[in-house]
Amino acid sequence: EAEVAQSPRYKITEKSQAVAFWCDPISGHATLYWYRQILGQGPELLVQFQDESVVDDSQLPKDRFSAERLKGVDSTLKIQPAELGDSAMYLCASSLDAGSYNEQFFGPGTRLTVL
Amino acid sequence: AQSVTQLDSQVPVFEEAPVELRCNYSSSVSVYLFWYVQYPNQGLQLLLKYLSGSTLVKGINGFEAEFNKSQTSFHLRKPSVHISDTAEYFCAVSEGSSASKIIFGSGTRLSIRP
Repeated sequence: EAEVAQSPRYKITEKSQAVAFWCDPISGHATLYWYRQILGQGPELLVQFQDESVVDDSQLPKDRFSAERLKGVDSTLKIQPAELGDSAMYLCASSLDAGSYNEQFFGPGTRLTVL
Repeated sequence: AQSVTQLDSQVPVFEEAPVELRCNYSSSVSVYLFWYVQYPNQGLQLLLKYLSGSTLVKGINGFEAEFNKSQTSFHLRKPSVHISDTAEYFCAVSEGSSASKIIFGSGTRLSIRP
């Protein structure tokens, strides 16, 4: 069964360091999402891609976060510099196409701890 | 803007007992509604969704939910729970348009006692 892949699964870093997360969506899925899930809360959308284009990054802290999906397939989310408040689970999801009626399939997430 | 409230942060139940997880939403337009489950150290998995049509929606693992427009609710139910249902459950809402994103509730932790 096709799955969304994410790496690493766990990342510990010190504040002011740079970190990067990778996501490989299900093959053929045009839409890719990055979510942040703080402990005890639901996921919050950071950025949404349609193929290689960003369609929503209104909640992405652009002074320190960046995301790219250069060939419209896999994607990288970067934080530079990391802050203590960035400790969270970072989830990637993909769907066949845009539109919330399309089921989003989630990867296992990357748990980030900033010391 | 839409929002979703999950009234219970934790729900403990005994195995084989029925369970209801409550969810209320607010929106000024028609909505799509979702329930997701998250097992420990895993991503989210879609349990069921309401887009239109019948207000009673059946999902995977024996769960069902009922859309109540007058009460703006979308409660999740299961007549008999199993130990394997122990997880975090998230209700989510989206405005009924192709451009709208999904807004998640804060989650309800379901713990099953033997």
